[in-house]
Amino acid sequence: NAGVTQTPKFRVLKTGQSMTLLCAQDMNHEYMYWYRQDPGMGLRLIHYSVGEGTTAKGEVPDGYNVSRLKKQNFLLGLESAAPSQTSVYFCASSSLRLAGGDTQYFGPGTRLTVL
Amino acid sequence: SQQGEEDPQALSIQEGENATMNCSYKTSINNLQWYRQNSGRGLVHLILIRSNEREKHSGRLRVTLDTSKKSSSLLITASRAADTASYFCATDAWGNEKLTFGTGTRLTIIP
Repeated sequence: NAGVTQTPKFRVLKTGQSMTLLCAQDMNHEYMYWYRQDPGMGLRLIHYSVGEGTTAKGEVPDGYNVSRLKKQNFLLGLESAAPSQTSVYFCASSSLRLAGGDTQYFGPGTRLTVL
Repeated sequence: SQQGEEDPQALSIQEGENATMNCSYKTSINNLQWYRQNSGRGLVHLILIRSNEREKHSGRLRVTLDTSKKSSSLLITASRAADTASYFCATDAWGNEKLTFGTGTRLTIIP
């Protein structure tokens, strides 16, 4: 089991460019999440999905779009990158409703710099 | 806005000593979890405590939860160099599929 993988690991963009971050999980998890981590801010939820074909906004969704066309993949898109989107992005997945008390499994992260 | 706030923000102790870090949160929760993050890596789940539990143990980890004070503590006993990492608490509430993370405590174990 690879667990949760993220592609790419590093990326440098110029302001206004677009890109897609790919998250893949091989644990057959229903729930998937995208977070960003900034110094001193902890993790903030961008978007999440409770199943194939579904997406929902998190705490900081502006400037990002997501898609969950396949259960194992969750894509995060930046249509027009801005310097404020410089961050480390983490994907996570879980198998149960959190109200049932399940844990999230995290990928290794993507470090994005927007110049 | 952050639900959890960890205290202290940074902690340095000698190897073999115990490390205690605290988490305070603002609203009623269903579960509270602790995660560890090694430098440059993703988060790894350590332990989960439910709102009706007061204490839980896992190896060298001991977690307490005081819902009346809206706070939790994580104790790591007999610390090792490999425990050097950032530690985050995360909470969830009934009917909410999301975890809300605190800002973390950076723990450094001095050999």
